[in-house]
Amino acid sequence: GQQVMQIPQYQHVQEGEDFTTYCNSSTTLSNIQWYKQRPGGHPVFLIQLVKSGEVKKQKRLTFQFGEAKKNSSLHITATQTTDVGTYFCAGPATGNQFYFGTGTSLTVIP
Amino acid sequence: DADVTQTPRNRITKTGKRIMLECSQTKGHDRMYWYRQDPGLGLRLIYYSFDVKDINKGEISDGYSVSRQAQAKFSLSLESAIPNQTALYFCASSEGTGGFTDTQYFGPGTRLTVL
Repeated sequence: GQQVMQIPQYQHVQEGEDFTTYCNSSTTLSNIQWYKQRPGGHPVFLIQLVKSGEVKKQKRLTFQFGEAKKNSSLHITATQTTDVGTYFCAGPATGNQFYFGTGTSLTVIP
Repeated sequence: DADVTQTPRNRITKTGKRIMLECSQTKGHDRMYWYRQDPGLGLRLIYYSFDVKDINKGEISDGYSVSRQAQAKFSLSLESAIPNQTALYFCASSEGTGGFTDTQYFGPGTRLTVL
């Protein structure tokens, strides 16, 4: 079954509001990566977190990796229309497999 | 970014037909991957190859096969296509430094419809 779940599946926000997507794995991940897929496009790498409890920022985006390395979050401050897309977490699990999360689709209303 | 190309970009085929999707990359990456994307399920790994002589099954390899013809080329075959293989297929490549720690660069995708 699906190993990495994300919530919410869909999120509509007014431009300027904040947005958060949560990623939860059934197993410990050695690292967590985040990708963004624009509508009609392909996934594009955003960032990788490796250490337990790690926090990284990219301008308005803040990424966190949980202490147990089983969950992660992406927070966007003051969303813009350019933030529209689907955000995926992804990571390696035991058995030499790599799992993408189910994704959160973000719509920003101008 | 890696230049990853996929052919064809769109394909409509019939149940039972054999079909091949092709992928090539020009960045000299050692590792290549095939994923399928279905609404609400994210991307799921079908097969991956860490070098030319290495082929590994992913989470959902049943009904698929792959061939790594060269460092730059990785093709995905559906031996006998069925309707539930209708999906968007992505190829990706990465440099290869250890485990699954590399940035993956994705191609534009192939939309496959099986009637």
